[in-house]
Amino acid sequence: SQQGEEDPQALSIQEGENATMNCSYKTSINNLQWYRQNSGRGLVHLILIRSNEREKHSGRLRVTLDTSKKSSSLLITASRAADTASYFCATDTGFQKLVFGTGTRLLVSP
Amino acid sequence: DTEVTQTPKHLVMGMTNKKSLKCEQHMGHRAMYWYKQKAKKPPELMFVYSYEKLSINESVPSRFSPECPNSSLLNLHLHALQPEDSALYLCASSQEADTGNTIYFGEGSWLTVV
Repeated sequence: SQQGEEDPQALSIQEGENATMNCSYKTSINNLQWYRQNSGRGLVHLILIRSNEREKHSGRLRVTLDTSKKSSSLLITASRAADTASYFCATDTGFQKLVFGTGTRLLVSP
Repeated sequence: DTEVTQTPKHLVMGMTNKKSLKCEQHMGHRAMYWYKQKAKKPPELMFVYSYEKLSINESVPSRFSPECPNSSLLNLHLHALQPEDSALYLCASSQEADTGNTIYFGEGSWLTVV
């Protein structure tokens, strides 16, 4: 069964706005990774956050992790049309068995 | 830009055909993976290779046969597939098959079984 559930399933915003995606999971994890996937393309790694970390930043991306609530969020600030993609969280419960969430489809309109 | 290269990008095969998907990485990674992704679904793990040895098989049907000829190459041999096997097949690699390593994905091979 899938480890992660993402919310919302789809998000539509205007350029310049912020986008927040949430991921909830069911069991203890070693780390959580966020990926972006453009339509029909491969996965691009965004950020890895370890279970002992609470927040990480990379450019316009901010990821938080709350292990007590078994949840993570991805914030994209000042979004651009090029950010249009599907975003997946993936949990690593050990031995690199990444289990992906259901994904959020983000549409950023000019 | 991904440094995991997959060929072919698109493959159409009949149910009686034998074909192969190929994956190559030159990052010196010792772990390689195959994932399968159906349309509008998340990727699902199929196989994990660590130091050229198969370490995880997620109960994948035997019509899918992985092979790791060396640390840079990973193949997926396909035989007697079913139309429901049509999907995007993603290859990935990481430094080690250990927790905490970033996993890098290729662009995928789109497979259509007719």
